Amino acid sequence: DAGVIQSPRHEVTEMGQEVTLRCKPISGHNSLFWYRQTMMRGLELLIYFNNNVPIDDSGMPEDRFSAKMPNASFSTLKIQPSEPRDSAVYFCASSLRGLGGSGANVLTFGAGSRLTVL
Amino acid sequence: GEDVEQSLFLSVREGDSSVINCTYTDSSSTYLYWYKQEPGAGLQLLTYIFSNMDMKQDQRLTVLLNKKDKHLSLRIADTQTGDSAIYFCAEPVSNYQLIWGAGTKLIIKP
Repeated sequence: DAGVIQSPRHEVTEMGQEVTLRCKPISGHNSLFWYRQTMMRGLELLIYFNNNVPIDDSGMPEDRFSAKMPNASFSTLKIQPSEPRDSAVYFCASSLRGLGGSGANVLTFGAGSRLTVL
Repeated sequence: GEDVEQSLFLSVREGDSSVINCTYTDSSSTYLYWYKQEPGAGLQLLTYIFSNMDMKQDQRLTVLLNKKDKHLSLRIADTQTGDSAIYFCAEPVSNYQLIWGAGTKLIIKP
């Protein structure tokens, strides 16, 4: 298995532009997470999907952020319009199931998309 | 509210043992996790411990859990340069929410 695949790995854009980040989770995983990592705030959960349905998007900072999961093998995180304070590393992660239930549930992270908004 | 605390840096000499500490607040967590993040990469699971265990050993890694004090530690024996990374402690607080520590950057001195 190739793991969780994210693209692009690096994105530099100008303020006001639209940014789309993409994620392919591990086949068979039914839970997908989008995280943002910054020095100031650490790891923040932006949105959680279960079986392609958004369950909790309370971490999405503003209406400028949106996420979709049209099928089990693809998700996008879109920022429109982008602002310099959106500069961060965005991670997608998937797991076989949610974190509850019996047994340890492991998140598998992608390599991340480093976004720089000038 | 729930919180996970870690010191930000740890510096050790190559060959020595590293001990990374973490304190957490939610006593109902069933598992506690350690993740490792190498430069330019995503986080990867290093190990985890079930809450009814005091200790778990896996090759060079030893996890100690003190539930009374809500203290978790990760010991890396014979620390190597390849162990340079940021180590995150995490506890689940819901079916999908993990509370993450800020991460401890392990620095290896030759």
